Amino acid sequence: GAVVSQHPSWVICKSGTSVKIECRSLDFQATTMFWYRQFPKQSLMLMATSNEGSKATYEQGVEKDKFLINHASLTLSTLTVTSAHPEDSSFYICSARGTGKNQPQHFGDGTRLSIL
Amino acid sequence: AQSVTQPDIHITVSEGASLELRCNYSYGATPYLFWYVQSPGQGLQLLLKYFSGDTLVQGIKGFEAEFKRSQSSFNLRKPSVHWSDAAEYFCAVGIISGSARQLTFGSGTQLTVLP
Repeated sequence: GAVVSQHPSWVICKSGTSVKIECRSLDFQATTMFWYRQFPKQSLMLMATSNEGSKATYEQGVEKDKFLINHASLTLSTLTVTSAHPEDSSFYICSARGTGKNQPQHFGDGTRLSIL
Repeated sequence: AQSVTQPDIHITVSEGASLELRCNYSYGATPYLFWYVQSPGQGLQLLLKYFSGDTLVQGIKGFEAEFKRSQSSFNLRKPSVHWSDAAEYFCAVGIISGSARQLTFGSGTQLTVLP
């Protein structure tokens, strides 16, 4: 149980393109989803926390107009990288936390984003 | 603010040898502690977690971790390493921020297993 599906797994696109990444909790309801960014050989940096039906909370230094997050249902959150540029190239990982006390975060397999 | 330190960037062990990965945390309250493993190009898999109670926690794949409050540590151990254990390991502390429980990750330890 507790499977999180992230799609697509790899995206290559031209500079200026907007890219949408989906994160789905397949067998549980996730009131909270998290979006992370990971640079090569580095740890995960939290970008934002999204709660179903409300606006996402962005970490300091993360541009909310650049990284649009929507959490429209208890099983789906999306991250849209708007007008992506080469510096946005990275590995983006989502996680989802189920309802109930002491539920851990379950992670998707990540999306490799390469902007040419 | 909370922080997590993994002092060892890279550890190499022989297959069948024992393993201990170190993790130290800084947090003002009782922490929620986690160990995750990441294979190349993939997401993170939860190995084990500590919330309260018994300070020795058993996880998947034969891993265990011990919470030592006096040392602010949560070291991961495995008695006999398998080649498939080669991966990146992340320790994390969970905190409550607003209505959400957020994770702060350590910098990771890369494990290489020699045949």
